[in-house]
Amino acid sequence: GAVVSQHPSWVICKSGTSVKIECRSLDFQATTMFWYRQFPKQSLMLMATSNEGSKATYEQGVEKDKFLINHASLTLSTLTVTSAHPEDSSFYICSAIFSRHGTGEQFFGPGTRLTVL
Amino acid sequence: GEDVEQSLFLSVREGDSSVINCTYTDSSSTYLYWYKQEPGAGLQLLTYIFSNMDMKQDQRLTVLLNKKDKHLSLRIADTQTGDSAIYFCAATFSGGYNKLIFGAGTRLAVHP
Repeated sequence: GAVVSQHPSWVICKSGTSVKIECRSLDFQATTMFWYRQFPKQSLMLMATSNEGSKATYEQGVEKDKFLINHASLTLSTLTVTSAHPEDSSFYICSAIFSRHGTGEQFFGPGTRLTVL
Repeated sequence: GEDVEQSLFLSVREGDSSVINCTYTDSSSTYLYWYKQEPGAGLQLLTYIFSNMDMKQDQRLTVLLNKKDKHLSLRIADTQTGDSAIYFCAATFSGGYNKLIFGAGTRLAVHP
């Protein structure tokens, strides 16, 4: 099946710094990528929908200036957490949709655990 | 708003069947999915069902859909210790192309 990778798998940073997380579709072109946030023992909360070459669509309550999303190509989307603070510590998961996959199935990356000290 | 609900915890004995239930509110949901998440990992798609189907079977997995009641279930036959994980139900959201609404997840614990 389709493979989605994320890098890094985990990151620890100091408060106030910015962190970039990459999401790549390895063997298909992804028309749409999604970014989720998951708190411990909770469900996935959709942060934004990213389409290649256009601005991301953010969910209500998600600060677009705080979580910058760039979808520069059909195989790469990046999420930058700017001026990170401890409350941004979370598990960030991306997913991608393979344009020719009729079910609209989302293929998920393995996630990135962010810890802000 | 649109919502997906699941029971939070299920404990079964190894070899028994597990049934995880889910309800959703968006009657226009086209596809319904079951994902599995192991500790510290991303989500793995187990199976999905199209909204015009009542049942789908895939090896040890059986999905039942009651569209009238907006109820979805996942049955795992002959549950093994390797099935211990969190299982998420997800439904497509008619208001956003391919947008998924996830349930809170059901933690399945399999004991000997």
